Amino acid sequence: QLQLQESGPGLVKPSETLSLMCTVSGDSVSSSSYYWDWIRQPPGKGLEWIGSIYYSGSTYYNPSLKSRVTISVDTSKNQFSLKLNSVTAADMAVYFCARTPNWGYWYFDLWGRGTLVTVSS
Amino acid sequence: NFMLTQPHSVSASPGKTVTISCTGSSGYIASNYVQWYRQRPGSAPTTVIYEDNQRPSGVPDRFSGSIDSSSNSASLSISGLKTEDEADYYCQSYDTNKHVVFGGGTKLTVL
Repeated sequence: QLQLQESGPGLVKPSETLSLMCTVSGDSVSSSSYYWDWIRQPPGKGLEWIGSIYYSGSTYYNPSLKSRVTISVDTSKNQFSLKLNSVTAADMAVYFCARTPNWGYWYFDLWGRGTLVTVSS
Repeated sequence: NFMLTQPHSVSASPGKTVTISCTGSSGYIASNYVQWYRQRPGSAPTTVIYEDNQRPSGVPDRFSGSIDSSSNSASLSISGLKTEDEADYYCQSYDTNKHVVFGGGTKLTVL
């Protein structure tokens, strides 16, 4: 069944690095038909795009987060990952992974359930 | 920076029609496709409209999207409101640098 599943620590200390994985089932991260995305949502607030990656390794990042974000893809495990360094309380959010069809524009047609990451010492 | 502005909340009675606006801060909103997502509490967003006015399979034709170039805005209309339509709705597009932009979200209450 086609689905995305986020995984990773639910608690990260301030100034440390947040690391999450998204496992893709029923599809391939090596497919040229899709981009793979990370989006977050602070509690009670709206959605914020973090960035996206193509199977070739090409990446697109939100300019406001670009200096702290790395998104990579692991084709052997059919996963893609997010690293966000130097986290603060403002980075506490539900983190979603998603998929964008390679149609020439951004459209998130499939989402994971999301995982809550708390930033606290 | 390109921004999308939505009303914080809208409300209407069951059976009525409600329209949610999404206004671009600059440029020409018709230049790039607008998508609309519905998010129920505790769940991930799901698409109700893509490419300005297209409905994914499974989304009823009570949902429609449009673009108004004169006001630089997109709109989501929901007719025949049902209590199950109560949710947060987000518009989404992208800027000239291909950076994704979301609207701030609109809470729809079906009274």
